[in-house]
Amino acid sequence: DAGVIQSPRHEVTEMGQEVTLRCKPISGHNSLFWYRQTMMRGLELLIYFNNNVPIDDSGMPEDRFSAKMPNASFSTLKIQPSEPRDSAVYFCASRQGVDYGYTFGSGTRLTVV
Amino acid sequence: QQQVKQSPQSLIVQKGGIPIINCAYENTAFDYFPWYQQFPGKGPALLIAIRPDVSEKKEGRFTISFNKSAKQFSLHIMDSQPGDSATYFCAAYYGGSQGNLIFGKGTKLSVKP
Repeated sequence: DAGVIQSPRHEVTEMGQEVTLRCKPISGHNSLFWYRQTMMRGLELLIYFNNNVPIDDSGMPEDRFSAKMPNASFSTLKIQPSEPRDSAVYFCASRQGVDYGYTFGSGTRLTVV
Repeated sequence: QQQVKQSPQSLIVQKGGIPIINCAYENTAFDYFPWYQQFPGKGPALLIAIRPDVSEKKEGRFTISFNKSAKQFSLHIMDSQPGDSATYFCAAYYGGSQGNLIFGKGTKLSVKP
């Protein structure tokens, strides 16, 4: 298996633009997590899905952030409009059932200028 | 109550030394405590994990010590090597099959040759 695949690896965008980050979880994993990593705040959980259903989105910073999981093999995290304070590395992770081990993707480094 | 407090923020040791990273938690509902290792440009990867009914777990040069009464756990790296230089995150899991990991803020370890 290729692991958790995220795209793009790097994204530079101008303030106010829409940004879409993509994630393909490991086949057979039924939980998917979106994290944001910054020096100041560490790893923050934004939202997670079980069987494609959002379970907890309390970590989503504000209405500018939205996430979808239309099927078991694909998820998106969208920021509209983007702001410089959204600059961070965004990680997607997946997990299979009650196996607690999370597998993380390599992340998307987002820079908003 | 959902926090996991990790210390120190950074740590420098000489090759062969034994770095120790400490974590503390409040919520007694946590039932699984993994450690993740992250290299620059990569996502965190599961290193070793322990459940609260065990006081110590060793995997190779990595050991977790767990003190349930004190609600503390720590990672020890025996005979540390420059290749161990990375950021280490402790985490705690709660919530059963719909649950989620709470991460500490991370410790940046540098092992000098």
